[in-house]
Amino acid sequence: KAGVTQTPRYLIKTRGQQVTLSCSPISGHRSVSWYQQTPGQGLQFLFEYFSETQRNKGNFPGRFSGRQFSNSRSEMNVSTLELGDSALYLCASSPRGAYTEAFFGQGTRLTVV
Amino acid sequence: TQLLEQSPQFLSIQEGENLTVYCNSSSVFSSLQWYRQEPGEGPVLLVTVVTGGEVKKLKRLTFQFGDARKDSSLHITAAQPGDTGLYLCAAAWNDYKLSFGAGTTVTVRA
Repeated sequence: KAGVTQTPRYLIKTRGQQVTLSCSPISGHRSVSWYQQTPGQGLQFLFEYFSETQRNKGNFPGRFSGRQFSNSRSEMNVSTLELGDSALYLCASSPRGAYTEAFFGQGTRLTVV
Repeated sequence: TQLLEQSPQFLSIQEGENLTVYCNSSSVFSSLQWYRQEPGEGPVLLVTVVTGGEVKKLKRLTFQFGDARKDSSLHITAAQPGDTGLYLCAAAWNDYKLSFGAGTTVTVRA
């Protein structure tokens, strides 16, 4: 069974630009969650999508948004990038919800310059 | 806001020694998970515990869930260099969000 796939693995963007990250969950998993990981703040929950609906949301500004498609693939968008958005963005899929168990992808390393 | 506290933050031991990592909260968990993360990779789920007092073993790793479901520990026996990594506990409360501790960086020296 293929694992969670995130693309791209690395990304360098300039302040003010926007970026879209992609996540393909494990086949059959309907829940996709996104996390931001930084050395200072650790792993922070961004949001969770389940069957194309946002089911839960963390404490991040509206510049961070996401969506899920009918095939469970998910995208995360960050608009008007700031230097502080530099982080490892992780996607996790789960059959029932991340609060039960989460299977993570390798992440996308975003650097904002 | 529920917080998970992990201790210690860093742990460096010699191959063959034992180690214990702790995870604590002031609130009762619905469930608790332990993950290990290696540099450049995403966290990998090690175990999920849901019942107070539960003990689970995974080869040389022993996971314990406190009776009051507010704390957990991970014990590694006879640590090996392959056990090196960032150990994260994660808990869900009644809001069904998964919150992570800051992690414990474990280094096992050969």
